[in-house]
Amino acid sequence: DTGVSQNPRHKITKRGQNVTFRCDPISEHNRLYWYRQTLGQGPEFLTYFQNEAQLEKSRLLSDRFSAERPKGSFSTLEIQRTEQGDSAMYLCASSRIERGDEQFFGPGTRLTVL
Amino acid sequence: AQKITQTQPGMFVQEKEAVTLDCTYDTSDQSYGLFWYKQPSSGEMIFLIYQGSYDEQNATEGRYSLNFQKARKSANLVISASQLGDSAMYFCAMREGPLFNAGNNRKLIWGLGTSLAVNP
Repeated sequence: DTGVSQNPRHKITKRGQNVTFRCDPISEHNRLYWYRQTLGQGPEFLTYFQNEAQLEKSRLLSDRFSAERPKGSFSTLEIQRTEQGDSAMYLCASSRIERGDEQFFGPGTRLTVL
Repeated sequence: AQKITQTQPGMFVQEKEAVTLDCTYDTSDQSYGLFWYKQPSSGEMIFLIYQGSYDEQNATEGRYSLNFQKARKSANLVISASQLGDSAMYFCAMREGPLFNAGNNRKLIWGLGTSLAVNP
């Protein structure tokens, strides 16, 4: 049973550039989540998919952020016109409805905006 | 107001001893879930244990147990027989709303975490 994978693991970009991250969930999981975590903080929710439908978006997700999950499998998170404040760890998690709907996380993508 | 409060920024424990990490929560929902995660320095968030609000017994998973006191709105994590590999950040998190709600409120709300150091 492979876990959640995320690519790339690290991304360094210049302010104003666009970046895209990919998340591959655990294969039988139909729910997928994106979180952002900055140093010394707990993760902050960004958005959530059930299958291919994006069911919830945080107010933190400005119009520079977009997420997709075509065909209900992998997901991408794109940040346009990156800003230094976007520097963070971007975590992806997946879950399925059973027990507590526990979310299992990938290793994260660390974004540094110069 | 904070929905998840972890009052211990840092904790130390001697190897092989037990340690309790505190977590209090705030919700008006009757149905909710409480989770503990471990985050080592490598950064990956590792699921440890889950407690549902209607579960009558405290959850246990190996050396981890959750001391759930519903009236006090606390969900403390107990780690027995600490090991050096337990040194990490520990986060308490909550999901509000019923388990089978397919709409909103699937997200986890997180505390600020407790840094645990296990001394040899």
